[in-house]
Amino acid sequence: QAVLTQPASLSASPGASASLTCTLRSGINVGTYRIYWYQQKPGSPPQYLLRYKSDSDKQQGSGVPSRFSGSKDASANAGILLISGLQSEDEADYYCMIWYSSAYVFGTGTKITVL
Amino acid sequence: EVQLVESGGGLVQPGGSLRLSCAASGFTFSSYEMNWVRQAPGKGLEWVSYISSSSSAMYYADSVKGRFTISRDNAKNSLYLQMNSLRAEDTAVYYCARNYFDSWGQGTLVTVSS
Repeated sequence: QAVLTQPASLSASPGASASLTCTLRSGINVGTYRIYWYQQKPGSPPQYLLRYKSDSDKQQGSGVPSRFSGSKDASANAGILLISGLQSEDEADYYCMIWYSSAYVFGTGTKITVL
Repeated sequence: EVQLVESGGGLVQPGGSLRLSCAASGFTFSSYEMNWVRQAPGKGLEWVSYISSSSSAMYYADSVKGRFTISRDNAKNSLYLQMNSLRAEDTAVYYCARNYFDSWGQGTLVTVSS
């Protein structure tokens, strides 16, 4: 089982909100970790969006709109990236990441399609 | 403006070696941890290696441990990845990235094939 699991795809309409989950493997407590999020558009390197551990330990990437925000769902052992007011330019792959056991681990990635 | 420019990619035969470089500018390179990340064609991101700002600590993904070596030259604002015993599954775009991946280069393609 992967350390970080993300749904392969998600579709939503322009103006809607999209909630992307990053589920940590059983036995790895989401509350312990800073979760980082990245956006990657075709043919381009990833771009840093934000980091979230708690409301008192979070960081927005430089120039990243506030409609991108992070949170956690402890009951699901998951980190969440919320994108509000979806725009066509948000169509991309999104990856979560944590530092775990002396290694950086990326999630499996979610492709967002804006219909 | 932070700039990271990778070079050194190319076509290499299985079992061969390659050395990637990453030239950094626009920030105090010696103050930052650095990483290499790769992405196989059509696949997701895979972290490869980490090096601390002073080279005192280095970490590797299990998939490259014992074959790849990360290093840096703070005087030259450069990061390196020596890749030995290359395999077909090492074929990917290799990115250098700063710190917790807050800045990325454009990547350099490494193709391992006979």
